[in-house]
This record gives sequence, structure tokens and C-alpha cells, in this order.
Amino acid sequence: AQKITQTQPGMFVQEKEAVTLDCTYDTSDQSYGLFWYKQPSSGEMIFLIYQGSYDEQNATEGRYSLNFQKARKSANLVISASQLGDSAMYFCAMTGSARQLTFGSGTQLTVLP
Amino acid sequence: NAGVTQTPKFQVLKTGQSMTLQCAQDMNHEYMSWYRQDPGMGLRLIHYSVGAGITDQGEVPNGYNVSRSTTEDFPLRLLSAAPSQTSVYFCASSRSDRGGEQYFGPGTRLTVT
Repeated sequence: AQKITQTQPGMFVQEKEAVTLDCTYDTSDQSYGLFWYKQPSSGEMIFLIYQGSYDEQNATEGRYSLNFQKARKSANLVISASQLGDSAMYFCAMTGSARQLTFGSGTQLTVLP
Repeated sequence: NAGVTQTPKFQVLKTGQSMTLQCAQDMNHEYMSWYRQDPGMGLRLIHYSVGAGITDQGEVPNGYNVSRSTTEDFPLRLLSAAPSQTSVYFCASSRSDRGGEQYFGPGTRLTVT
């Protein structure tokens, strides 16, 4: 079985500052994928970034980067230069040999002007 | 491409009624899945399909049925609605070679009274 833990129910960040959203995972699979999704107040799920367990470099997509520390089983999302439009719920998720996507409980990010 | 479409967007049912939530995708994805999202929780997998004619149970399958007669369509049936099934339902699809990077539909908000 695989499990995702997000320990920050809510986070606040000032506009233009960087913020790190925490995610730890547990799995017995050797090959797995880690994902971050954004859910704005409108409700849709938006894919942000992906990291494979065998990828040696941390994934980056624009202002998003995934800080992957395999030994610590963590996959934190870093958002640089926060914008007001970044205010949303953020979900960490993973998939493994079962090819089922397992989600964490989410972190509500609020960007302050 | 329309991506992943879901109908209806909103539905109110009485306890004991049955209904079908529709999901369709036009990206020729083999993998499709249904999730429910309850307040304060991440998405939980109900059922998934790795191709036409193949379905399997996820984390919370009780009270729901699925079938996959075509690649495009993956309906979710509520057999006898219960208040515990009040939730937001998301359908998702992905290419079979990266099962976790899923494209989500806009969601169906279901209330059972």
C-alpha cells in the first residue's frame, strides 16, 4: 500500500516570496511517481509537476520545483515568487505498481498582498 | 479537444434513488478513473479501468458500479443513493504509459438528501 502525508493544513505567504509545501510518502515499490496538483476555489484539478523515482534531477516547471529527497521519502513543492493567483488547495499524490493515484489531504495556500 | 467531460455538473438525489454520472474523454486514453472528494480530504479512488472491458476497484468502491464498453466512456452508477455519498465526483483519464499524470474533468457535485 502507498500513503501520502501532508502535514500543513494551511499556509500563508507574502506575494513575491517563495513557499515550500511539504509532502512525505510511503511505499514498498521501487518504481513510483510523485505528483502535485492545484485545486483553485473553482474546483478543477490542475496538474503542476511530476517526479519519477529514478529521476536524478529535481523536476521543475516554471515557478514550480519539486524537492525530491528519496532517502527521506519526501517530495516537497517549492513555489518561487508567489502570486495572488497561487492561492489554492495543493495536493501531493503518488502512483506505483498498482497504477492507482493516491492523494494526500492537501494544503490550503493563501498568498497575501 | 474537449478533454475530459462530465455530466451533470450538479445533482440532487433522494435516498434510495439511482443515477449514472457520465464521463467521456476524446484523447484516446486507455486509463480512466473515478474519484470522490469529501470536505477536508483529498481525492479517493472509487473505480478505475485500464482499457475497454477492464475495470477494477479502488479504495472506496462500495455502492458504485462501473463499466467500460468503449475507450471514450466510463460511466459511474450509484445503485441506491445514501447521504454518505454526498460528495464531489471527479473523472480522470491518462495515457497508459504514465498512469499517474491524469487529466481531470470539471467534477459533479452530488447531494443526497
